[in-house]
Amino acid sequence: GENVEQHPSTLSVQEGDSAVIKCTYSDSASNYFPWYKQELGKGPQLIIDIRSNVGEKKDQRIAVTLNKTAKHFSLHITETQPEDSAVYFCAASIEGGGSYIPTFGRGTSLIVHP
Amino acid sequence: DAGVTQSPTHLIKTRGQHVTLRCSPISGHKSVSWYQQVLGQGPQFIFQYYEKEERGRGNFPDRFSARQFPNYSSELNVNALLLGDSALYLCASSPPDMTGYGYTFGSGTRLTVV
Repeated sequence: GENVEQHPSTLSVQEGDSAVIKCTYSDSASNYFPWYKQELGKGPQLIIDIRSNVGEKKDQRIAVTLNKTAKHFSLHITETQPEDSAVYFCAASIEGGGSYIPTFGRGTSLIVHP
Repeated sequence: DAGVTQSPTHLIKTRGQHVTLRCSPISGHKSVSWYQQVLGQGPQFIFQYYEKEERGRGNFPDRFSARQFPNYSSELNVNALLLGDSALYLCASSPPDMTGYGYTFGSGTRLTVV
């Protein structure tokens, strides 16, 4: 089955700095890569995703990149703010065929210091 | 619209007991997935149900079972509880086309086994 590795486990930055979280996956058939943000006491919330037919996607201060050859994808957050502090999870899955079961990484705890 | 609702929010059980967790999906969503999230780790897939049929099962023992009702709500049952079953149990619902966009999590049930 799919295996997703995520690094770093903890990331501490100053407000305004950029943050980068990296993930690798094992199953070359995976074609959908969502990122989730989990705040304390809440369930994970989808913040951005990318499909295997594109290499990069941006939404305001958040961007994701995908390298299919290396089976590597990353989350980039620019101009970090204290409210960005949360645990971030990457995931990989095969989308289509009537099923969608993402495999999650272990998470990155992002701390943004004011 | 209400999101994914889970009950109870917190639960304390004794080893060997049985527990039932409940989930109501977003209106119009026909698929429910269950995940276990141990502290400090990413969500681990347990079950997925679509139109009352099991579509997927993760690597969990037979003590774990689930079902989906005609109104698309779902129950997760765990028998013979072990200390290691202590975790946050998350439910996610998906729309009929099962795309990644529709994967919405509830806030979870925090289960503590003592």
